[in-house]
Amino acid sequence: DGGITQSPKYLFRKEGQNVTLSCEQNLNHDAMYWYRQDPGQGLRLIYYSQIVNDFQKGDIAEGYSVSREKKESFPLTVTSAQKNPTAFYLCASTTGQGEETQYFGPGTRLLVL
Amino acid sequence: SQKIEQNSEALNIQEGKTATLTCNYTNYSPAYLQWYRQDPGRGPVFLLLIRENEKEKRKERLKVTFDTTLKQSLFHITASQPADSATYLCALEEMNTGFQKLVFGTGTRLLVSP
Repeated sequence: DGGITQSPKYLFRKEGQNVTLSCEQNLNHDAMYWYRQDPGQGLRLIYYSQIVNDFQKGDIAEGYSVSREKKESFPLTVTSAQKNPTAFYLCASTTGQGEETQYFGPGTRLLVL
Repeated sequence: SQKIEQNSEALNIQEGKTATLTCNYTNYSPAYLQWYRQDPGRGPVFLLLIRENEKEKRKERLKVTFDTTLKQSLFHITASQPADSATYLCALEEMNTGFQKLVFGTGTRLLVSP
């Protein structure tokens, strides 16, 4: 089955801790995205990557970092600089060719202890 | 400033009726608009895409209209069923960087009662 997987489903972060959210796709898509979803605010773009070894900041990149060393993988690190990390995090991918739908993973809910 | 507006209040309808959800936008000139369905605790799932030169698009019980003059899209579900209960998101493409980025509305929750 082709698709996007995210792990873990729930993640707990302690004060001052960095945590990494995993996103893997086997759709052979070039472009990948990370969104944050808060109640009543819709999806906000954190980072996106058009190709391997390249990524750009989205609208709310502060306190987050990413890497794109492999086409299939686009992990997101929530650093201690992100003061309000509690949210639902969604990873998505597209072929990157334009005018296309985004395929989303099941999401990771991050909670602060 | 750019804005996408969807009714934040839940839409409650009875089974069998037609549900109509609205997406209004300002300061965008999208070449296309998309609609997604999101169930609680899950990722959005694509439903329909409509281009700026298309007035209407249908898929089974779903119908989307796109009025670039009014800057509005309407999303209809006919013969609604309790299984249609979910949050529906509209999304516009933002191509100012030459690369597809989608901007999402906040979504409207639909509740279909038996």
